[in-house]
Amino acid sequence: EVQLLESGGGLVQPGGSLRLSCSASGFTFSSYAMSWVRQAPGKGLEWVSDISGNSGSTNYADSVKGRFTISRDNSKNTLYLQMNSLRAEDTAVYYCAKCGSRMVRGVLYYYCYYGMDVWGQGTTVTVSS
Amino acid sequence: QSALTQPASVSGSPGQSITISCTGTSSDVGYYNYVSWYQQHPGKAPKLMIFDVSNRPSGVSNRFSGSKSGNTASLTISGLQAEDEADYYCSSYTTSSTLVFGTGTKVTVL
Repeated sequence: EVQLLESGGGLVQPGGSLRLSCSASGFTFSSYAMSWVRQAPGKGLEWVSDISGNSGSTNYADSVKGRFTISRDNSKNTLYLQMNSLRAEDTAVYYCAKCGSRMVRGVLYYYCYYGMDVWGQGTTVTVSS
Repeated sequence: QSALTQPASVSGSPGQSITISCTGTSSDVGYYNYVSWYQQHPGKAPKLMIFDVSNRPSGVSNRFSGSKSGNTASLTISGLQAEDEADYYCSSYTTSSTLVFGTGTKVTVL
């Protein structure tokens, strides 16, 4: 069974740091692009960042660029999100998600714009003094 | 990276069909056929319902269908059922190599 399990959330003061982890199982983790999506209390979904299978490509939302860093350790089947200079507006449930794949002319491609087909249960980050 | 625009709420009676719109720009919805739709029940993680504008993942009911015209994508739920009551979000790839979600639509089954 394909599973994603986030951890690392908690209460942190403004300006502080936190590292989220997402442990993956049930699929070839190193092949798939992965993404972080957050949801502030009572609000909609917001894409945060994504990373290719080999870590060669990363993308960030403008709201977190320069403060957050996405990374992965394929030997541990784990995705990370290092969050620095945290602000109150970063308070949210953070989900990790597995991105989709597509066979094009006999070649498999893995991109998050193919859709995020497996999601974790989320981990809550609260930024407050 | 402005959020795509969705109606705040849509409602329908059991068995009816409803359509949720998702309006973007020529830099996202209008540029790529990479529109996805997600269903989210309260307190739960989102679930992929549609990818590439109109394709359903395995296991998703064929009552869910997607389409796109210009800068607006749409999700139609036919034969509305009580279990369809949830929040729905569209998502699109953008010319900035980012993803953007819609504002979200609450579907109520009357």
